[in-house]
Amino acid sequence: AQKITQTQPGMFVQEKEAVTLDCTYDTSDPSYGLFWYKQPSSGEMIFLIYQGSYDQQNATEGRYSLNFQKARKSANLVISASQLGDSAMYFCAMREGRYTGNQFYFGTGTSLTVIP
Amino acid sequence: DTAVSQTPKYLVTQMGNDKSIKCEQNLGHDTMYWYKQDSKKFLKIMFSYNNKELIINETVPNRFSPKSPDKAHLNLHINSLELGDSAVYFCASSQFPSRETKYEQYFGPGTRLTVT
Repeated sequence: AQKITQTQPGMFVQEKEAVTLDCTYDTSDPSYGLFWYKQPSSGEMIFLIYQGSYDQQNATEGRYSLNFQKARKSANLVISASQLGDSAMYFCAMREGRYTGNQFYFGTGTSLTVIP
Repeated sequence: DTAVSQTPKYLVTQMGNDKSIKCEQNLGHDTMYWYKQDSKKFLKIMFSYNNKELIINETVPNRFSPKSPDKAHLNLHINSLELGDSAVYFCASSQFPSRETKYEQYFGPGTRLTVT
């Protein structure tokens, strides 16, 4: 089974609108972390936001927020007020295991295009 | 100040050659990683080192050998290069996970390897 599933290979959003990028995960470990990364066309990987499995509140970082639904095992990224510079690939990732070796899993990514 | 650096940024070589990619981080992290990103943008972890000790060794050909001379460096040596090794290789670093830290990974700029 896939550890991280991103079902939207491509998304389009109008500038200044909000967009939600979906991510579901699969783990039986009670301790895990969820991450979102942005990869623009220039290729670098940029950390956006983190949610720990024990965190009670949804994470927010500026225009980014993570809609964490633990029972459904989903960790969707919400980008508010989209900007042209948000056009990029977005990867959801999970770190599994508190002491078992720091294993990270990445999803297949969602390509976001912001339309002016 | 570059946090995670990789050299070279581009590497073009012929099948059968041996090559190395170097990685250095100045963030004081104790854990470093190598990832391979294929042409479909799929990111897969290859190796992880914590305090110079190998803690993750995914199923990669033994032609790939990581070496960590100290906590700040993790080099990747590839023997007998094959066409299928063509990809972008990312180095990353983080703190080892704990409940108190985000331990997000910081990525290097990537090395685009092309085997002809």
